[in-house]
Amino acid sequence: DSGVTQTPKHLITATGQRVTLRCSPRSGDLSVYWYQQSLDQGLQFLIQYYNGEERAKGNILERFSAQQFPDLHSELNLSSLELGDSALYFCASSKAGTGSTGELFFGEGSRLTVL
Amino acid sequence: GQQLNQSPQSMFIQEGEDVSMNCTSSSIFNTWLWYKQDPGEGPVLLIALYKAGELTSNGRLTAQFGITRKDSFLNISASIPSDVGIYFCAGQRRGGSNYKLTFGKGTLLTVNP
Repeated sequence: DSGVTQTPKHLITATGQRVTLRCSPRSGDLSVYWYQQSLDQGLQFLIQYYNGEERAKGNILERFSAQQFPDLHSELNLSSLELGDSALYFCASSKAGTGSTGELFFGEGSRLTVL
Repeated sequence: GQQLNQSPQSMFIQEGEDVSMNCTSSSIFNTWLWYKQDPGEGPVLLIALYKAGELTSNGRLTAQFGITRKDSFLNISASIPSDVGIYFCAGQRRGGSNYKLTFGKGTLLTVNP
């Protein structure tokens, strides 16, 4: 158990819909990262938050947004869903922000299926 | 963007055999890390390397940070069935405010008992 909690574990929805994925980081971790994992693209970095502020942005689509709340949990919002958005979405956390060592603790993921 | 080439894509081995996989990049990284993902789980950190030339072991696992800073390898000795999973290399380049990791596409390891 990594200590990172993600909900829901599975989600099935239709194209055009909007979903919200939730992540609770390990106790004491200030940074939250979101990654998308698909079969052909591997683990793609989406976005990082540190103590409530956006710290780094990766290949995140404009239809996707995220935020980190004062209690440090984070949500990833995916809107106008397309078939190609079907993937595993991972949240990871670490203690550091700019001093990150790259040592991340991953949750079990949320599997999104868009029909 | 930064690309990591991880090879092989997949491996099928017999229990007891040694395994070697590697990762190369056209860019220099300050940190190399190796993660393992079990089926239905998130990746778990196996080994982190912080200095060029560093050789680090974790049980039956050994990883090295290449001298050029553009590559790393992971060896698994005397493989066992629970070694099955996807192994990812990851590189991190520190600079400015960008600390994101770049992951390789993974090596799928299958161990036949």
